Amino acid sequence: DQQVKQNSPSLSVQEGRISILNCDYTNSMFDYFLWYKKYPAEGPTFLISISSIKDKNEDGRFTVFLNKSAKHLSLHIVPSQPGDSAVYFCAASDNNDMRFGAGTRLTVKP
Amino acid sequence: EAQVTQNPRYLITVTGKKLTVTCSQNMNHEYMSWYRQDPGLGLRQIYYSMNVEVTDKGDVPEGYKVSRKEKRNFPLILESPSPNQTSLYFCASSDMGQWHPSEAFFGQGTRLTVV
Repeated sequence: DQQVKQNSPSLSVQEGRISILNCDYTNSMFDYFLWYKKYPAEGPTFLISISSIKDKNEDGRFTVFLNKSAKHLSLHIVPSQPGDSAVYFCAASDNNDMRFGAGTRLTVKP
Repeated sequence: EAQVTQNPRYLITVTGKKLTVTCSQNMNHEYMSWYRQDPGLGLRQIYYSMNVEVTDKGDVPEGYKVSRKEKRNFPLILESPSPNQTSLYFCASSDMGQWHPSEAFFGQGTRLTVV
């Protein structure tokens, strides 16, 4: 049973436009949420996180939104750049461990 | 440089031949974990460890063992590998921030093929 779900396996956007990646979770005990970015032949790298006491966190072009009542979070990338093309994993953690979604492959076209 | 180091990066082995994938981190992190990445399934946790001598099962522990005798090392052991364990494996470490794992640092991955 996947507790963290990314229902879109892939997303394609034009350079300069907004990319929106979505993530849903089922476990209400999760209280910390993260996004990771993965390039081919490399391990995932941390991108941005948000605590359950917040509903928004920004870092440059990246913003994460959390809707606790809907158990939904999203990552916005504005403006999107070709170097953002990668697989993005959503993750959620509670007191014990961290669970990941299946990932969304983002392609940003020049 | 802060890093998580996995070895080997690539491994082809035969069914039933015991193998160990090593993982070492130099950040003094309490929390370490192993994941496998499979197409369409993302990263699934195999085992995790919250500190030395403390390990616990993740989502897919069958066929794997781990040990945490020192803080920096967290080897993954396959006693009798089978073809369904062919996968891409990642080791990760993180602080235990506010009583839960925080930002994780990942190794570069080990691509294992069991024939």
